[in-house]
Amino acid sequence: GENVEQHPSTLSVQEGDSAVIKCTYSDSASNYFPWYKQELGKRPQLIIDIRSNVGEKKDQRIAVTLNKTAKHFSLHITETQPEDSAVYFCAASSGGGADGLTFGKGTHLIIQP
Amino acid sequence: DTEVTQTPKHLVMGMTNKKSLKCEQHMGHRAMYWYKQKAKKPPELMFVYSYEKLSINESVPSRFSPECPNSSLLNLHLHALQPEDSALYLCASSHGQDTGELFFGEGSRLTVL
Repeated sequence: GENVEQHPSTLSVQEGDSAVIKCTYSDSASNYFPWYKQELGKRPQLIIDIRSNVGEKKDQRIAVTLNKTAKHFSLHITETQPEDSAVYFCAASSGGGADGLTFGKGTHLIIQP
Repeated sequence: DTEVTQTPKHLVMGMTNKKSLKCEQHMGHRAMYWYKQKAKKPPELMFVYSYEKLSINESVPSRFSPECPNSSLLNLHLHALQPEDSALYLCASSHGQDTGELFFGEGSRLTVL
């Protein structure tokens, strides 16, 4: 089955700086890579996703890059704000997401004022 | 309606009890999922229903029994659980058929005494 590794487990950045979270996956058949944000006591919420036919996708301050050859994808958050503090999970799926997702272990992002 | 609704929000049960968790969505999604999430861990896939048929069972113990009465409803029947089964149980839905985004409910927090 799929295995997703995520680093770092904790990331502390100054407000206004950029944050980068990296993930690798094992199944070359995986074709869908979402990122979820989970605030304490709340449900995971999709913030951005990318499919294997695309190398990069941006949505305002958030971007995701995908390197299929290296089986590696990354989340980039620019101009970080206090409300970005949360746990971020990367995930991968081989069925376009319909077969369920395998999540990475999560990154606790802390934005220092 | 873009919500996945889960009941109850909290449940405390003894090891000999029988209880059920319920999940409902009215977005016309054809895939529904149960995930288990322990504290400070990622969601772990338990079951996937696609078009009301069980398509994935991630080797979940038989004390957890899923049921999909119709395309809008998903139940998880619980019997003879162990204290280590205490966790947040998240229901999710997606369009299915290679459309990825999972919409999560707020979860049912289960405590087994």
